[in-house]
Amino acid sequence: KAGVTQTPRYLIKTRGQQVTLSCSPISGHRSVSWYQQTPGQGLQFLFEYFSETQRNKGNFPGRFSGRQFSNSRSEMNVSTLELGDSALYLCASSLGVRDSYEQYFGPGTRLTVT
Amino acid sequence: AQKITQTQPGMFVQEKEAVTLDCTYDTSDPSYGLFWYKQPSSGEMIFLIYQGSYDQQNATEGRYSLNFQKARKSANLVISASQLGDSAMYFCAMRVSQGGSEKLVFGKGTKLTVNP
Repeated sequence: KAGVTQTPRYLIKTRGQQVTLSCSPISGHRSVSWYQQTPGQGLQFLFEYFSETQRNKGNFPGRFSGRQFSNSRSEMNVSTLELGDSALYLCASSLGVRDSYEQYFGPGTRLTVT
Repeated sequence: AQKITQTQPGMFVQEKEAVTLDCTYDTSDPSYGLFWYKQPSSGEMIFLIYQGSYDQQNATEGRYSLNFQKARKSANLVISASQLGDSAMYFCAMRVSQGGSEKLVFGKGTKLTVNP
C-alpha cells in the first residue's frame, strides 16, 4: 500500500507570511502526528490528530495549528512566519491505537523562511 | 522526565563489519515502545525496528537487531554486515503516553559513516 505523502516537498517563504503543509497518511491509519526537525532542537513533537480531533499538542506557540479531514488527511498551518521556523516538517501516520508499533513517516517538507 | 539519550554523535564502521549504536531511555511508564529510524540525507525517516516493553525477545529485522536490556534501560541497535547505503543519521525514539494520546520522543541521533 502507498506510504505517507507530504506536499509540497520544498517551500521558501518570507517572514510574516503564512504557510500550509499537507500530509496524507497510509490508508487505514487514522492518526497523523507532526514533528519539527531543526539542527539545534532536533525532532520535536508539534501535535497529533485523530479522527478529526487534536488529541495532543507539544510546546509550540499558537502560530502553529493544524486540522484533519474526514479522510484522515491533515494540514498544518504556520502563521506570521519567523526565521526560526525554517525546518524540516515531518508527519507520521499510525493506527492511533494504544501501543501500536506502526509509526511511519513521510518524506517531509523542507521550509525555508527568508 | 521521559528522555532518550544517544551518546554517540558520530560513528565510523568498515563495510561488511557490524556496528552498535547506543540508546538509553528514561521513563516511569511501565508500558512503552522503542523505535529506531534511519534518516538519509534526503530527509525521510525510515522505520527500522520496534521493541515493546513487554516483549520477551529482542527484536530483529533482517540485518538490524535491537539489544534490549530493560534493567539498564538501554535499546542499542546492531547493524550486521554494514553496507555503504547504511551511511545516514540514526534516531532512537520512545513512544510515550500523554493525556490519552501518544507521541514519539527522539534522541539527538547518531551519524553513521560506512567506509569502503
